[in-house]
Amino acid sequence: IAGITQAPTSQILAAGRRMTLRCTQDMRHNAMYWYRQDLGLGLRLIHYSNTAGTTGKGEVPDGYSVSRANTDDFPLTLASAVPSQTSVYFCASSERDSTDTQYFGPGTRLTVL
Amino acid sequence: GQNIDQPTEMTATEGAIVQINCTYQTSGFNGLFWYQQHAGEAPTFLSYNVLDGLEEKGRFSSFLSRSKGYSYLLLKELQMKDSASYLCAGLDSNYQLIWGAGTKLIIKP
Repeated sequence: IAGITQAPTSQILAAGRRMTLRCTQDMRHNAMYWYRQDLGLGLRLIHYSNTAGTTGKGEVPDGYSVSRANTDDFPLTLASAVPSQTSVYFCASSERDSTDTQYFGPGTRLTVL
Repeated sequence: GQNIDQPTEMTATEGAIVQINCTYQTSGFNGLFWYQQHAGEAPTFLSYNVLDGLEEKGRFSSFLSRSKGYSYLLLKELQMKDSASYLCAGLDSNYQLIWGAGTKLIIKP
């Protein structure tokens, strides 16, 4: 792996189902982020982690949870998906914190029906 | 509230110069980023300004005026591959990025 990967690439999900979006980076970056991107809106931060073992809430955290058990992985879980969570989800990482360049994964396109 | 404003769409001609403006209102300010995003792809870093002035990187330059809450991205010698969305993002006092909706740049031959 080189950089940051996300899985799955796309997913169609029934409302009420649980879903985990995976994110892995091999750059040994301390900080990781989850964003959603909706048409006509800027990227919105869902959750972030400044270092392994710590997480924080972003602008739109409701309905989402994250964990950071190690440096490389930062999964995002939707406990009970709703149609308003239909979006493109990007995971990103930066070396130390948000003053550093963020490197983005290829994104996951999620549709909740 | 916090806000980043940039034009929704701009059109320019191949070989020309285009300036994409961004105004920001954030609680505190710790710098401004520009990212490029091609359709269906992830954003990629272009520039970061924290001090006033112009920073040049090849065909791309970014300018910041902290007193005016204003930045612009200048693209010279436009190429067809520059067709993309350009995202402006301000870093607030809590070191969280506030993103604009992006400017879609269309390059015509």
